[in-house]
Amino acid sequence: DAKTTQPPSMDCAEGRAANLPCNHSTISGNEYVYWYRQIHSQGPQYIIHGLKNNETNEMASLIITEDRKSSTLILPHATLRDTAVYYCIVRGRNFNKFYFGSGTKLNVKP
Amino acid sequence: DVKVTQSSRYLVKRTGEKVFLECVQDMDHENMFWYRQDPGLGLRLIYFSYDVKMKEKGDIPEGYSVSREKKERFSLILESASTNQTSMYLCASSLSFLAGAVKETQYFGPGTRLLVL
Repeated sequence: DAKTTQPPSMDCAEGRAANLPCNHSTISGNEYVYWYRQIHSQGPQYIIHGLKNNETNEMASLIITEDRKSSTLILPHATLRDTAVYYCIVRGRNFNKFYFGSGTKLNVKP
Repeated sequence: DVKVTQSSRYLVKRTGEKVFLECVQDMDHENMFWYRQDPGLGLRLIYFSYDVKMKEKGDIPEGYSVSREKKERFSLILESASTNQTSMYLCASSLSFLAGAVKETQYFGPGTRLLVL
């Protein structure tokens, strides 16, 4: 599975869009990009995933660059409840392991 | 919605005790997983199971065993608890390895924070 690189922390004002970047320059053609988040003292929560195309669901949007070497998770209108650690994970199909890494601590401020 | 539940949120045990952590999922998922999460180390896979009575070692199986007698239930067993097993334990489940990324998405329980004294 490809490694991912994320900034350790980011701040965002409440009501503004939060854009969380992730680099995965060694990603291969069949590897998906997954995003999870973990609110303090809870289990990780699935947010979204994608392969090539941009994806959107009720929680967030995922923008994947054309070369697939990086992606951005967008929370369109961040709230205080979005304060969490956000993990970007890249994984293939050969073994079902999720390498969570250190993630980005998003601080949403009033 | 997928629901994964774990038997305890907090647990305190003594060194040498046998500890059972239970996990139940209600979505008929084939795959179930046990992770531990420690500061600075992220989540590490202990064991997983892709079917009833089947199990596979993850990255750090030493000191642990698992049991899956029913599809919905996956138990993690610490045969003789030690202080270095103090951690947050997370259970997860997913539908299938073979059916595509959507069905392989893992859903996590709330976690059990275990303290071994």
